[in-house]
Amino acid sequence: GENVEQHPSTLSVQEGDSAVIKCTYSDSASNYFPWYKQELGKGPQLIIDIRSNVGEKKDQRIAVTLNKTAKHFSLHITETQPEDSAVYFCAAAETSYDKVIFGPGTSLSVIP
Amino acid sequence: DADVTQTPRNRITKTGKRIMLECSQTKGHDRMYWYRQDPGLGLRLIYYSFDVKDINKGEISDGYSVSRQAQAKFSLSLESAIPNQTALYFCATSDSLYNEQFFGPGTRLTVL
Repeated sequence: GENVEQHPSTLSVQEGDSAVIKCTYSDSASNYFPWYKQELGKGPQLIIDIRSNVGEKKDQRIAVTLNKTAKHFSLHITETQPEDSAVYFCAAAETSYDKVIFGPGTSLSVIP
Repeated sequence: DADVTQTPRNRITKTGKRIMLECSQTKGHDRMYWYRQDPGLGLRLIYYSFDVKDINKGEISDGYSVSRQAQAKFSLSLESAIPNQTALYFCATSDSLYNEQFFGPGTRLTVL
């Protein structure tokens, strides 16, 4: 079955700097890669996703990149703000209709 | 009102007790999921259901059972709770066309 690894497990950045979280997956059949943000005391919430027919996707300060050959995908947050502090999960699924497998999470702290 | 609700929000119980966690949703989604979250391990899928008559085991189903009483309700049971089932449990829903998952607020379960 699918296995998703995520690095780093914790990340601290100064406000205004960029943050990058990297994930790898094992199943070459996976072609849907969502990212979820979990704020303290809440359930995770989808922030962006990418499918295998796209190499990069941007939404304001957030971007995701995908390298299917290397089975890598990354989340990039630019101009970080204190409200970006949260736990971020990457995930992979065989299709956008399938169950997703989550990575272990990255705890991001943005220092004012 | 919240679209995905979980009851109880917190529960402390003793080893060997039977516990039921309940999830209800008003989003009209046909798919529902139960996850457990442990520090450093991310979200692991326990069971999922793609419609009322469909129940599937996830990554870590041993020691758990589920019941899909209606499209809107999905319950998770621990027949005989043990301390390593102490965790944060999340219910989630999605529709059959697009796999964005909507999470409930979580249930914190402690087994003494």
